[in-house]
Amino acid sequence: KAGVTQTPRYLIKTRGQQVTLSCSPISGHRSVSWYQQTPGQGLQFLFEYFSETQRNKGNFPGRFSGRQFSNSRSEMNVSTLELGDSALYLCASSLATGLGNTEAFFGQGTRLTVV
Amino acid sequence: AQSVTQLDSQVPVFEEAPVELRCNYSSSVSVYLFWYVQYPNQGLQLLLKYLSGSTLVESINGFEAEFNKSQTSFHLRKPSVHISDTAEYFCAVSSRSGTYKYIFGTGTRLKVLA
Repeated sequence: KAGVTQTPRYLIKTRGQQVTLSCSPISGHRSVSWYQQTPGQGLQFLFEYFSETQRNKGNFPGRFSGRQFSNSRSEMNVSTLELGDSALYLCASSLATGLGNTEAFFGQGTRLTVV
Repeated sequence: AQSVTQLDSQVPVFEEAPVELRCNYSSSVSVYLFWYVQYPNQGLQLLLKYLSGSTLVESINGFEAEFNKSQTSFHLRKPSVHISDTAEYFCAVSSRSGTYKYIFGTGTRLKVLA
């Protein structure tokens, strides 16, 4: 079956702009999580959605937001972009039916560059 | 709160030599443990996981990891590495109480030399 699909793969934006990233999970997976990966901070958890509800949120400013649609596809939005938002944004999907052990399947990521 | 420490940022090793990538964690609650691998310009792939039962877990490509509760460690080992094992390896924990997030270590870059 198809894996986690993230679009676009690469993105260049200017400071102050806003950006929307998309993630299509594996068919049947209702949980979608987002992570930011940078050389300095490593992998940081942004938020997790299950059945259109945000269940957990990391320590990021309010400029970072997300949502999940009824078909489990998810989007994350970053407003008023800053240079420090340049990163690889990874999406992961899982069954996550209430057990923390469910394996997360990651997409290839969207590399965002802010200039 | 949980944290994960990967003690080595880079590990160079010759092909066919054994390797150990170290991972220690800290948590006030019980956790599940994972190792993920990331190849250049790729996402993360699950290598192996410890959920319960036997403390030694193995992957299909020869890696193994042992959960040591007293030392709060989950070191990754392979008896004989190949060039194709060159990648970045991440140790991660996830709370058993279902917080639905992973806490990752900072990663160890394994470089296999010919």
